[in-house]
Amino acid sequence: EVQLVQSGAEVKKPGESLKISCKGSGYSFTSFWIGWVRQMPGKGLEWMGIIYPGDSDTRYSPSFQGQVSISADKSINTAYLQWGSLKASDTAMYYCVRPIGITGSGWFDPWGQGTLVTVSS
Amino acid sequence: QSVLTQPPSVSAAPGQKVTISCSGSSSNIGNNYVSWYQQLPGTAPKLLIYDNNKRPSGIPDRFSGSKSGTSATLGITGLQTGDEADYYCATWDSSLSAGVFGGGTKLTVL
Repeated sequence: EVQLVQSGAEVKKPGESLKISCKGSGYSFTSFWIGWVRQMPGKGLEWMGIIYPGDSDTRYSPSFQGQVSISADKSINTAYLQWGSLKASDTAMYYCVRPIGITGSGWFDPWGQGTLVTVSS
Repeated sequence: QSVLTQPPSVSAAPGQKVTISCSGSSSNIGNNYVSWYQQLPGTAPKLLIYDNNKRPSGIPDRFSGSKSGTSATLGITGLQTGDEADYYCATWDSSLSAGVFGGGTKLTVL
């Protein structure tokens, strides 16, 4: 079974750094893109960016470029989403997804269970 | 403001049919495949339709998708109370070089 399992919920203070993870299993991790989607409280889904673990090619949405960093460690089939300095507006549920297609532009299946990030002083 | 436009809400009675629209432009829906996702309350989204009109295994044929020009539509027949959820369309935007979602539509089965 193809699965994406994310790290647990985080509570952080503004200005702190954070790295959340997403472990893929049941498929060839280096042969598929993996991406991140944000959902702020009570709001819709936002595409953040994707990475191809095979060669670390990374693409960001213009809205998130420079705000977050996406990386992957193919030795442990894990992708990461990282912030250098969190803001209260980063409070959201973050989902990892597996985009289908050689360019990463296809549909998303599966989805991780989500990681809730709360940033509050 | 989302790149793709969906109605905020739709409603219908059990057993009836509903359609959810998703409007975009030539840089996204007009030249790329559309997918649809169902998000039940408190859960992660799930793939419903891919490549405009294909259903993954396990998705009942009550769910259908279509695309025409720069718009796409999700159809749900034989509505059940368990279909109450938020529905999102998505596609690639060639101008942004990024994926884009619709704002989501809340389905209420009255």
